[in-house]
Amino acid sequence: SQQGEEDPQALSIQEGENATMNCSYKTSINNLQWYRQNSGRGLVHLILIRSNEREKHSGRLRVTLDTSKKSSSLLITASRAADTASYFCATDGYKLSFGAGTTVTVRA
Amino acid sequence: DTAVSQTPKYLVTQMGNDKSIKCEQNLGHDTMYWYKQDSKKFLKIMFSYNNKELIINETVPNRFSPKSPDKAHLNLHINSLELGDSAVYFCASSQEGVRNEQFFGPGTRLTVL
Repeated sequence: SQQGEEDPQALSIQEGENATMNCSYKTSINNLQWYRQNSGRGLVHLILIRSNEREKHSGRLRVTLDTSKKSSSLLITASRAADTASYFCATDGYKLSFGAGTTVTVRA
Repeated sequence: DTAVSQTPKYLVTQMGNDKSIKCEQNLGHDTMYWYKQDSKKFLKIMFSYNNKELIINETVPNRFSPKSPDKAHLNLHINSLELGDSAVYFCASSQEGVRNEQFFGPGTRLTVL
């Protein structure tokens, strides 16, 4: 089974709105990563948050991590059409385990 | 300059054939991976090499054989292709193992008829 599970599976928002997606995982981690995948492309790394960090920012991205609840969230602020993609969380262990992703559609 | 490149981008073949996918990275990374992404977008690791040594070998049929001739290359050979092998295969690389950022190739879409 997948280590990380994203929620919701799909999200449709208007340009300019914020998009929030969540990731839950099962076992202890050293870090958690978020990736983006545009249609027909490879995954692109967005942000890595370590288990001793609670929040991290990168441009319009904000990631939180709650190790007590084994969950993380990714917030994209002021969304743009170019943010339309699938977003995956990945947790480490002996391997990187990906969730099934959240598909985000940003409507113009 | 492409960081992680894969060839071919598309591969359409008949059941029972043997095919190879090649991957190269020019990032100087010491760890390389093969992932399989199915039609529901689940991404699952298949193999990982660190400095040409196999370090991860998930439950993958032995029809799949990775080969790493050097740190910058990781190829995947598949024998006796089956319908269920149809998927997108991604190569990736990172420095010093799985805990760091991984860089992905553009993927190879394999269709087995």
